[in-house]
Amino acid sequence: DGGITQSPKYLFRKEGQNVTLSCEQNLNHDAMYWYRQDPGQGLRLIYYSQIVNDFQKGDIAEGYSVSREKKESFPLTVTSAQKNPTAFYLCASSIRRNSPLHFGNGTRLTVT
Amino acid sequence: DQQVKQNSPSLSVQEGRISILNCDYTNSMFDYFLWYKKYPAEGPTFLISISSIKDKNEDGRFTVFLNKSAKHLSLHIVPSQPGDSAVYFCAAQRGGTSYGKLTFGQGTILTVHP
Repeated sequence: DGGITQSPKYLFRKEGQNVTLSCEQNLNHDAMYWYRQDPGQGLRLIYYSQIVNDFQKGDIAEGYSVSREKKESFPLTVTSAQKNPTAFYLCASSIRRNSPLHFGNGTRLTVT
Repeated sequence: DQQVKQNSPSLSVQEGRISILNCDYTNSMFDYFLWYKKYPAEGPTFLISISSIKDKNEDGRFTVFLNKSAKHLSLHIVPSQPGDSAVYFCAAQRGGTSYGKLTFGQGTILTVHP
């Protein structure tokens, strides 16, 4: 089955540590995205990538970094500079404009 | 600046009746709109979409209406079923961008009672 795999589902880190969230897709989609969801809020775009080796900042990119070395993979690093890292992180992909985004099942990150 | 707004945090409906979820937007550059359904601790699932050249799109029990002059869209679910209970997000895409960056509303929690 084609889809998007995010791992792990739950992640715990100490404050001050960087942490990398994995996102892999086998849908052969060109574009990939990272969103963040906080309680009572909609999804907010962190970073997106339309092709390999290229990515752009979304609305809340500060404190995050990404890479896109392969079409299938778009890992997100939450750095110690991110002031409120505890959240539910969602990875998505799409094939082209005016087509829906397909989401993974998310990673819940808790930083204490 | 909340460009996509869902002003009702929650909606409660009896099974078999109609559920109407509403969404307003402010950016006239948006030209593609979507509705997603989300269960706790899972990713959103695409439900239905509509292009700005249309005012209605239907898929089974789900119909989306778009009123461009009012910058308003709505999702109708008929008949509502208990399994429809979830958080519903509307989302919008701006014209001119090459791939689907979406702006999401805050979500509406729908509860369908048996």
